Amino acid sequence: DAMVIQNPRYQVTQFGKPVTLSCSQTLNHNVMYWYQQKSSQAPKLLFHYYDKDFNNEADTPDNFQSRRPNTSFCFLDIRSPGLGDAAMYLCATSSRVQETQYFGPGTRLLVL
Amino acid sequence: RKEVEQDPGPFNVPEGATVAFNCTYSNSASQSFFWYRQDCRKEPKLLMSVYSSGNEDGRFTAQLNRASQYISLLIRDSKLSDSATYLCAMNGNFNKFYFGSGTKLNVKP
Repeated sequence: DAMVIQNPRYQVTQFGKPVTLSCSQTLNHNVMYWYQQKSSQAPKLLFHYYDKDFNNEADTPDNFQSRRPNTSFCFLDIRSPGLGDAAMYLCATSSRVQETQYFGPGTRLLVL
Repeated sequence: RKEVEQDPGPFNVPEGATVAFNCTYSNSASQSFFWYRQDCRKEPKLLMSVYSSGNEDGRFTAQLNRASQYISLLIRDSKLSDSATYLCAMNGNFNKFYFGSGTKLNVKP
């Protein structure tokens, strides 16, 4: 089945230790998004790619970086995770920016 | 002012009840509107898109009121399995996409 896959599903890291989360999609969508969601809050958009065009949200900390080496894959790098970065990280895709977004199952990050 | 606002709830309703949620938005230029369902510790899943003419899918009806800038979701004959958080979402300016923080629904036997 066409889908959005995220790995790992759970990630435990130490304070300050870099971590990379991955997302892949078989939907062949042009747009890929990374969101951060904390408990009882709205998903917060960190950045999105339209093809290779990278769009960073103004309030996304510099600690967060992203790479999209090809249509299918997108990575979220957290260079120096802090305790406040513990959250669910959701990857989503859409065919165009204003179209329906389809989410992966998320990666739950715990920072010790 | 937030781009999108929802009553966080929880809405506690008995099985079989009809329940409605609203979601207000501030950007009058928004064109695309959606309702997502999110179960605890899971990802949001698309429930339905919201069209200008309204949209109905079984027990679920979504409406758009552009004049008052809100969308609504009506659930008829609530089931226990409808218990979840319902997020509204819409596009904004400059290719931005906004989610509400969700309305929690508890359907009780």
